[in-house]
Amino acid sequence: QQPVQSPQAVILREGEDAVINCSSSKALYSVHWYRQKHGEAPVFLMILLKGGEQKGHEKISASFNEKKQQSSLYLTASQLSYSGTYFCGTAEINQAGTALIFGKGTTLSVSS
Amino acid sequence: DAEITQSPRHKITETGRQVTLACHQTWNHNNMFWYRQDLGHGLRLIHYSYGVQDTNKGEVSDGYSVSRSNTEDLPLTLESAASSQTSVYFCASSGWTGGEQYFGPGTRLTVT
Repeated sequence: QQPVQSPQAVILREGEDAVINCSSSKALYSVHWYRQKHGEAPVFLMILLKGGEQKGHEKISASFNEKKQQSSLYLTASQLSYSGTYFCGTAEINQAGTALIFGKGTTLSVSS
Repeated sequence: DAEITQSPRHKITETGRQVTLACHQTWNHNNMFWYRQDLGHGLRLIHYSYGVQDTNKGEVSDGYSVSRSNTEDLPLTLESAASSQTSVYFCASSGWTGGEQYFGPGTRLTVT
C-alpha cells in the first residue's frame, strides 16, 4: 500500500521552512526519507524506526508517530541545495524485512 | 570505493524483444532491489532479493523477472518488452534488511 505524501509540491525562498508529510494506512515498522535531484539517483537522508524517535541532520529533521502511521520531514532555513524531490519509503510492521514501498514524492523548489 | 553500477545507461528496444538490464554492486550487500520511476508514480518496486537464490515480487512485477546467482548481481529481464515498460529503472542495495538503500545511476529504457 503506497504511502501518501503531502503536499505534492512546495515553492520556497531561501531561508524559509517547509514540512513534508508521509501517511500510511498500515501499521509501520520504519520510515525512510530520500532526496532525488533532477536526473540523478535518490539519496538516503534518514531512517526512523517505530518508537516515535526524531532524527536530525543539520537543518533537516524528521519525526515518526507510529500510532498515527505518519512521518514528517522538517526542512528549516532552506538552502538552494535542498531543491529536489523528496520520497518517503515505508516498511509495514507485520512484514518486517519486506522491501520499502515509496510514496509519489514531494517536489521542493528553493529560489534565491 | 564500493559502488553500485547499472548498464546500459540508455536503451532503445522494440516491442516484443527480450531485454536484460544489469545491476552490479561491490558493497557485498545481501539485499538488492529493482524499481521503476515514472512521472506521477514515484518509485515502484518491481522485484527484490535478500540473498543468493532468493527473489521476491514487488508491486509491479508482471512482465519482469530476476535471478540471483551471486551476491554482486541482480539482472532484471523484460520477457517481452511493451511500450508500457518505457521508464527509468533504478537498482538499489542495502546492507541489512530494512536498512538504508544505495541507488545506482539508473537506466532509461524506451520501448518503441
